[in-house]
Amino acid sequence: QSVLTQPPSVSAAPGQKVTISCSGSSSNIGNNYVSWYQQFPGSVPKLLIYQNDKRPSQIPDRFSGSKSDTSATLAITGLQTGDEADYYCGAWDRSLNVGLFGGGTKVTVL
Amino acid sequence: QVQLVQSGAEVKKPGASVKVSCKTSGYTFTISDINWVRQATGQGLEWMGYINPNTGKTNHIQRLQGRITMTMDTSISTAYMELNSLTSEDTAEYYCVRGRWNSYGMDVWGQGTTVTV
Repeated sequence: QSVLTQPPSVSAAPGQKVTISCSGSSSNIGNNYVSWYQQFPGSVPKLLIYQNDKRPSQIPDRFSGSKSDTSATLAITGLQTGDEADYYCGAWDRSLNVGLFGGGTKVTVL
Repeated sequence: QVQLVQSGAEVKKPGASVKVSCKTSGYTFTISDINWVRQATGQGLEWMGYINPNTGKTNHIQRLQGRITMTMDTSISTAYMELNSLTSEDTAEYYCVRGRWNSYGMDVWGQGTTVTV
């Protein structure tokens, strides 16, 4: 059971929007930055979002992040079949003094 | 461009040790932490720990206490992670990752090293 909680899966049709939640506590998300990672099967994870809502230059603006209190959300708009992957949130936990990943969410394009 | 290149796959017997290397290039080695993340087949990501190449400070998860050692050689911009007393539960893909959680995240990943126990 991960300290950061994500839904196991989400799905939507092409062109639609999906959101992935990441729930934590005041010791992690509530007082630290959240980052998000995309991982295709058999591939290396890739940074999508850092500092809650910032995108590396090569990441399209269809991907966006937000944070409110002890939860964070990744949104993918204009969903494409190429977005089918696992998505992980991550944050530092100042009480445990460790880095944390959520359990991961599988995105399926219907 | 920034690259992290890891050593090759390892097959170990239970009780043995494994040492994975991570050679960096394309940036100043001492400006960012090197983290170690592992992933068992079909499972999620697990952050194991980090080393600060500027200070040598390390930190790791409690359940690896006494088994994990993270070191570095700044002269060749390379980080190392050694894990002792291996069990079948240590079978996983191991990644070295540049980054800091409260800064720009885990922004560059190595290609991974498969460790089979």
